[in-house]
Amino acid sequence: GESVGLHLPTLSVQEGDNSIINCAYSNSASDYFIWYKQESGKGPQFIIDIRSNMDKRQGQRVTVLLNKTVKHLSLQIAATQPGDSAVYFCAENMRGGSQGNLIFGKGTKLSVKP
Amino acid sequence: DAGVIQSPRHEVTEMGQEVTLRCKPISGHDYLFWYRQTMMRGLELLIYFNNNVPIDDSGMPEDRFSAKMPNASFSTLKIQPSEPRDSAVYFCASSPGQVGYTFGSGTRLTVV
Repeated sequence: GESVGLHLPTLSVQEGDNSIINCAYSNSASDYFIWYKQESGKGPQFIIDIRSNMDKRQGQRVTVLLNKTVKHLSLQIAATQPGDSAVYFCAENMRGGSQGNLIFGKGTKLSVKP
Repeated sequence: DAGVIQSPRHEVTEMGQEVTLRCKPISGHDYLFWYRQTMMRGLELLIYFNNNVPIDDSGMPEDRFSAKMPNASFSTLKIQPSEPRDSAVYFCASSPGQVGYTFGSGTRLTVV
Protein backbone atom coordinates (compact mmCIF):
# COMPACT_ATOMS: atom_id res chain seq x y z
CA GLY A 1 0.00 0.00 0.00
CA GLU A 2 0.96 3.64 -0.03
CA SER A 3 3.47 4.58 2.60
CA VAL A 4 5.88 7.19 3.75
CA GLY A 5 9.43 6.05 4.29
CA LEU A 6 12.82 7.43 5.16
CA HIS A 7 16.14 6.92 3.43
CA LEU A 8 18.29 7.11 6.56
CA PRO A 9 17.22 5.78 9.92
CA THR A 10 20.07 7.55 11.78
CA LEU A 11 22.08 10.68 11.13
CA SER A 12 25.03 11.96 13.11
CA VAL A 13 26.31 15.50 12.53
CA GLN A 14 28.80 17.85 14.13
CA GLU A 15 27.46 20.83 16.02
CA GLY A 16 27.35 23.82 13.72
CA ASP A 17 27.06 21.79 10.55
CA ASN A 18 23.93 21.66 8.43
CA SER A 19 21.70 18.60 8.59
CA ILE A 20 19.58 17.14 5.84
CA ILE A 21 16.91 14.59 6.63
CA ASN A 22 15.22 12.87 3.74
CA CYS A 23 11.83 11.33 3.21
CA ALA A 24 10.29 9.46 0.30
CA TYR A 25 6.58 9.26 -0.20
CA SER A 26 4.70 7.07 -2.60
CA ASN A 27 1.22 8.55 -2.68
CA SER A 28 1.01 10.93 -5.61
CA ALA A 29 -2.34 12.16 -4.29
CA SER A 30 -0.71 13.65 -1.19
CA ASP A 31 -0.88 17.41 -1.18
CA TYR A 32 0.24 18.42 2.27
CA PHE A 33 3.40 17.46 4.12
CA ILE A 34 4.61 18.09 7.63
CA TRP A 35 7.83 17.58 9.54
CA TYR A 36 7.68 16.74 13.22
CA LYS A 37 10.41 16.59 15.85
CA GLN A 38 10.15 14.16 18.72
CA GLU A 39 12.44 14.43 21.71
CA SER A 40 12.86 11.57 24.12
CA GLY A 41 9.84 11.14 26.35
CA LYS A 42 7.78 13.73 24.52
CA GLY A 43 5.16 13.83 21.84
CA PRO A 44 5.90 14.89 18.26
CA GLN A 45 6.22 18.63 17.84
CA PHE A 46 5.30 20.47 14.65
CA ILE A 47 8.30 21.99 12.87
CA ILE A 48 7.24 23.09 9.42
CA ASP A 49 4.79 22.19 6.71
CA ILE A 50 4.47 22.59 2.97
CA ARG A 51 1.70 22.24 0.43
CA SER A 52 2.13 20.58 -2.90
CA ASN A 53 1.82 23.85 -4.81
CA MET A 54 5.16 24.89 -3.33
CA ASP A 55 8.63 23.40 -3.66
CA LYS A 56 10.35 25.21 -0.84
CA ARG A 57 9.43 26.76 2.45
CA GLN A 58 11.66 28.31 5.07
CA GLY A 59 11.31 28.70 8.78
CA GLN A 60 13.70 29.63 11.50
CA ARG A 61 16.88 27.61 10.74
CA VAL A 62 14.77 25.01 8.91
CA THR A 63 13.89 24.62 5.26
CA VAL A 64 11.62 22.03 3.71
CA LEU A 65 12.06 21.08 0.09
CA LEU A 66 9.48 19.19 -1.92
CA ASN A 67 10.25 17.44 -5.19
CA LYS A 68 7.00 16.11 -6.54
CA THR A 69 8.64 14.61 -9.61
CA VAL A 70 10.49 12.04 -7.56
CA LYS A 71 8.16 12.16 -4.55
CA HIS A 72 10.85 13.33 -2.19
CA LEU A 73 10.75 15.58 0.83
CA SER A 74 13.69 16.89 2.80
CA LEU A 75 14.24 18.87 5.96
CA GLN A 76 17.33 21.03 6.19
CA ILE A 77 18.50 22.31 9.55
CA ALA A 78 21.07 25.07 9.47
CA ALA A 79 23.82 25.33 12.08
CA THR A 80 22.67 22.22 13.90
CA GLN A 81 22.66 22.53 17.66
CA PRO A 82 22.66 19.90 20.44
CA GLY A 83 19.04 20.78 21.11
CA ASP A 84 18.18 19.55 17.63
CA SER A 85 18.96 15.98 18.65
CA ALA A 86 15.71 14.10 18.28
CA VAL A 87 13.77 11.81 15.98
CA TYR A 88 12.32 13.56 12.96
CA PHE A 89 9.19 12.35 11.21
CA CYS A 90 7.73 13.35 7.91
CA ALA A 91 4.01 12.98 7.44
CA GLU A 92 1.75 13.28 4.43
CA ASN A 93 -1.89 14.05 3.95
CA MET A 94 -3.75 12.84 0.94
CA ARG A 95 -5.54 15.30 -1.32
CA GLY A 96 -9.19 15.38 -0.48
CA GLY A 97 -8.58 13.05 2.38
CA SER A 98 -10.09 13.56 5.74
CA GLN A 99 -8.14 15.18 8.50
CA GLY A 100 -7.23 11.76 9.80
CA ASN A 101 -5.32 10.76 6.70
CA LEU A 102 -2.03 12.01 8.11
CA ILE A 103 0.42 9.17 7.53
CA PHE A 104 3.71 9.24 9.39
CA GLY A 105 7.05 7.86 8.30
CA LYS A 106 9.15 5.68 10.59
CA GLY A 107 11.46 8.50 11.64
CA THR A 108 15.13 9.47 11.45
CA LYS A 109 17.19 9.88 14.57
CA LEU A 110 19.43 12.93 14.49
CA SER A 111 22.42 12.97 16.84
CA VAL A 112 24.43 16.15 17.20
CA LYS A 113 28.03 15.76 18.33
CA PRO A 114 29.45 18.68 20.35
CA ASP B 1 -2.36 27.18 27.25
CA ALA B 2 -1.40 23.89 28.89
CA GLY B 3 -1.47 22.01 25.62
CA VAL B 4 -2.89 18.54 25.19
CA ILE B 5 -2.93 16.80 28.55
CA GLN B 6 -2.73 13.04 28.84
CA SER B 7 -2.92 10.82 31.87
CA PRO B 8 -1.43 8.75 33.21
CA ARG B 9 2.13 9.25 31.92
CA HIS B 10 2.99 5.66 32.66
CA GLU B 11 0.80 2.64 33.16
CA VAL B 12 1.89 -0.87 34.03
CA THR B 13 -0.82 -3.48 34.15
CA GLU B 14 -1.23 -7.21 34.05
CA MET B 15 -2.52 -9.04 31.04
CA GLY B 16 -6.29 -9.27 31.08
CA GLN B 17 -6.83 -6.07 33.02
CA GLU B 18 -8.77 -3.09 31.74
CA VAL B 19 -6.77 0.01 30.90
CA THR B 20 -8.17 3.51 30.44
CA LEU B 21 -6.12 6.32 28.94
CA ARG B 22 -7.32 9.89 29.20
CA CYS B 23 -6.91 13.00 27.12
CA LYS B 24 -7.87 16.64 27.46
CA PRO B 25 -7.50 18.44 24.12
CA ILE B 26 -6.68 22.10 23.65
CA SER B 27 -9.74 24.23 24.15
CA GLY B 28 -11.35 25.18 20.86
CA HIS B 29 -9.80 22.36 18.86
CA ASP B 30 -12.46 20.51 16.88
CA TYR B 31 -10.42 17.43 16.09
CA LEU B 32 -9.01 14.84 18.45
CA PHE B 33 -6.77 11.95 17.47
CA TRP B 34 -5.48 8.85 19.20
CA TYR B 35 -2.18 7.44 17.94
CA ARG B 36 -0.11 4.46 19.00
CA GLN B 37 3.66 4.44 18.65
CA THR B 38 5.88 1.37 18.61
CA MET B 39 9.39 0.78 17.35
CA MET B 40 8.17 -1.72 14.81
CA ARG B 41 5.21 0.17 13.36
CA GLY B 42 5.94 3.79 14.17
CA LEU B 43 3.02 6.17 14.66
CA GLU B 44 -0.33 4.66 13.79
CA LEU B 45 -3.64 6.46 13.83
CA LEU B 46 -6.18 4.54 15.86
CA ILE B 47 -9.22 6.79 15.73
CA TYR B 48 -10.16 10.41 15.40
CA PHE B 49 -13.10 12.58 16.36
CA ASN B 50 -14.53 15.75 14.90
CA ASN B 51 -16.79 17.76 17.19
CA ASN B 52 -16.93 14.80 19.58
CA VAL B 53 -18.13 12.41 16.88
CA PRO B 54 -15.94 9.46 15.86
CA ILE B 55 -15.11 9.86 12.18
CA ASP B 56 -12.69 7.06 11.40
CA ASP B 57 -11.94 4.15 13.69
CA SER B 58 -10.45 1.87 11.04
CA GLY B 59 -7.12 1.96 12.83
CA MET B 60 -8.47 0.46 16.02
CA PRO B 61 -6.76 -2.94 16.22
CA GLU B 62 -9.70 -4.99 17.39
CA ASP B 63 -12.78 -4.98 19.52
CA ARG B 64 -10.72 -4.87 22.68
CA PHE B 65 -10.08 -1.21 21.91
CA SER B 66 -12.74 1.46 22.32
CA ALA B 67 -12.67 5.24 22.44
CA LYS B 68 -15.16 7.82 23.57
CA MET B 69 -15.43 11.56 23.57
CA PRO B 70 -18.34 12.51 25.83
CA ASN B 71 -17.64 16.24 25.49
CA ALA B 72 -15.30 18.68 23.80
CA SER B 73 -12.78 18.63 26.63
CA PHE B 74 -12.33 14.94 27.34
CA SER B 75 -11.65 11.66 25.59
CA THR B 76 -10.79 8.16 26.72
CA LEU B 77 -9.17 5.19 25.06
CA LYS B 78 -9.97 1.89 26.72
CA ILE B 79 -8.39 -1.51 26.25
CA GLN B 80 -10.25 -4.46 27.69
CA PRO B 81 -8.79 -6.99 28.14
CA SER B 82 -5.23 -5.79 27.72
CA GLU B 83 -2.53 -7.98 26.17
CA PRO B 84 1.29 -7.72 26.17
CA ARG B 85 1.26 -6.76 22.48
CA ASP B 86 -0.67 -3.63 23.41
CA SER B 87 2.46 -2.28 25.07
CA ALA B 88 3.28 1.00 23.35
CA VAL B 89 3.20 4.74 23.79
CA TYR B 90 -0.26 6.13 23.15
CA PHE B 91 -0.53 9.73 22.02
CA CYS B 92 -3.50 12.00 21.91
CA ALA B 93 -3.41 15.00 19.57
CA SER B 94 -5.83 17.80 18.83
CA SER B 95 -6.21 20.22 15.99
CA PRO B 96 -8.36 23.24 15.12
CA GLY B 97 -8.82 22.08 11.55
CA GLN B 98 -6.84 20.96 8.57
CA VAL B 99 -3.45 21.79 9.97
CA GLY B 100 -1.67 22.18 13.25
CA TYR B 101 -1.73 18.93 15.17
CA THR B 102 -0.60 19.36 18.77
CA PHE B 103 0.41 16.17 20.51
CA GLY B 104 0.29 15.38 24.18
CA SER B 105 3.24 13.87 26.01
CA GLY B 106 1.85 10.37 25.67
CA THR B 107 1.05 7.47 27.95
CA ARG B 108 3.60 4.69 28.07
CA LEU B 109 1.66 1.47 28.53
CA THR B 110 3.32 -1.73 29.61
CA VAL B 111 1.26 -4.90 29.81
CA VAL B 112 3.00 -7.75 31.60
